[in-house]
Amino acid sequence: DIVMTQTPLSSAVTLGQPASISCRSSQSLVHSDGNTYLSWLHQRPGQPPRLLIYKLSNRLSGVPDRFSGSGAGTDFTLRISRVEAEDVGVYYCMQATQFPLTFGGGTKVEIK
Amino acid sequence: EVQLLESGGGLVHPEGSLRLSCVASGFSFSTYTMTWVRQAPGKGLEWVSSISGWGYNTYYADSVKGRFTISRDNSKNTLFLHMNSLTAEDTAFYYCTKRGDTYGLFDSWGQGTLVTVSS
Repeated sequence: DIVMTQTPLSSAVTLGQPASISCRSSQSLVHSDGNTYLSWLHQRPGQPPRLLIYKLSNRLSGVPDRFSGSGAGTDFTLRISRVEAEDVGVYYCMQATQFPLTFGGGTKVEIK
Repeated sequence: EVQLLESGGGLVHPEGSLRLSCVASGFSFSTYTMTWVRQAPGKGLEWVSSISGWGYNTYYADSVKGRFTISRDNSKNTLFLHMNSLTAEDTAFYYCTKRGDTYGLFDSWGQGTLVTVSS
């Protein structure tokens, strides 16, 4: 199984400042079709997860453009260009390159 | 608007069984792969099982293989998760999610249903 490791475990960010979350996979996420199926999800307390980014860097429709995904191979990053109050919660990376699908342990983002 | 509504959760004794349902609306249900993801209280997300649009292909996490069965009734726009031999480790919120046109594109999620396994 592919192990997904996120850092940091938590992050306190000032409103309006950037934030970034790292995710590392135990093996390459490049699929045989050439795509990298790495997704990022956000979960607010008491809410179901919500997809932000899929296939490495594609924002889901309706996701603000302050969110961006990047990376290659086994190292990936979610960046928030200017953190807003609604961005608090836990962020998860997830690989869908092969079964079983696996998630990172989560990064909790709070406002400083 | 896509809606996914789970039901069937509740309190069950160890070794007991439960069937979860997820009624979908707002999209062509049979076209899409559907997935169950669970989350133990206060913990992270865990993929449980997926099923292709017409049900020909199913996939399971090792932790539930042989105990859980995913199925769907496309005539009723409903996804199921049949759970047997439940243990305390299965206690979690179970979310139904729709996968879009590519892997990892879980574009819609239900609100979840809580399964508690306890004596």
